[in-house]
Amino acid sequence: NAGVTQTPKFQVLKTGQSMTLQCAQDMNHEYMSWYRQDPGMGLRLIHYSVGAGITDQGEVPNGYNVSRSTTEDFPLRLLSAAPSQTSVYFCASGPGTGSNQPQHFGDGTRLSIL
Amino acid sequence: ILNVEQSPQSLHVQEGDSTNFTCSFPSSNFYALHWYRWETAKSPEALFVMTLNGDEKKKGRISATLNTKEGYSYLYIKGSQPEDSATYLCALDGSQGNLIFGKGTKLSVKP
Repeated sequence: NAGVTQTPKFQVLKTGQSMTLQCAQDMNHEYMSWYRQDPGMGLRLIHYSVGAGITDQGEVPNGYNVSRSTTEDFPLRLLSAAPSQTSVYFCASGPGTGSNQPQHFGDGTRLSIL
Repeated sequence: ILNVEQSPQSLHVQEGDSTNFTCSFPSSNFYALHWYRWETAKSPEALFVMTLNGDEKKKGRISATLNTKEGYSYLYIKGSQPEDSATYLCALDGSQGNLIFGKGTKLSVKP
């Protein structure tokens, strides 16, 4: 059971480049989300999805797009990378509110924008 | 947006000491409170999910209590060990499964 798998683990981009961070889970979880972690800021929610075909914005959505075409996958897209997006990104999945179950996190993607 | 506060921000203890830290949140709009343990260069690991006022949960030397009426949860570690060194995150599940995280308490346990 792989849990939540994030790729890549590390990436360096130049300002203005685009890229997609991949996230896949094999636990049949309805809820998936993306967080960014910055020093002194804790984990902040970027986008989330409560099921295939449904996405919504979190606390810090600007500069990021998401889609949820399948239950398993929830990619995060940076359309035009900016230095302010240098961060560690975590994907998480869970059964959703009402399950009393925790969310499961991927190992993170460390992204640097030059 | 719900505001989750954790204190202290950091804590340094000696091996064998017992310690505790606090998570505070608005007592309204509460569904569940999550505690995670987060080691450097790893992903957050779930410790507890608590939903009921007065809830107490325990896993080994770590335990947690919840008071939803006054809006706080305590995490206790009995007899701290160096391997307990990590950041302990509290998160509130307010709706739709979204977790609003506090900034964490960073615990360092010296041998």
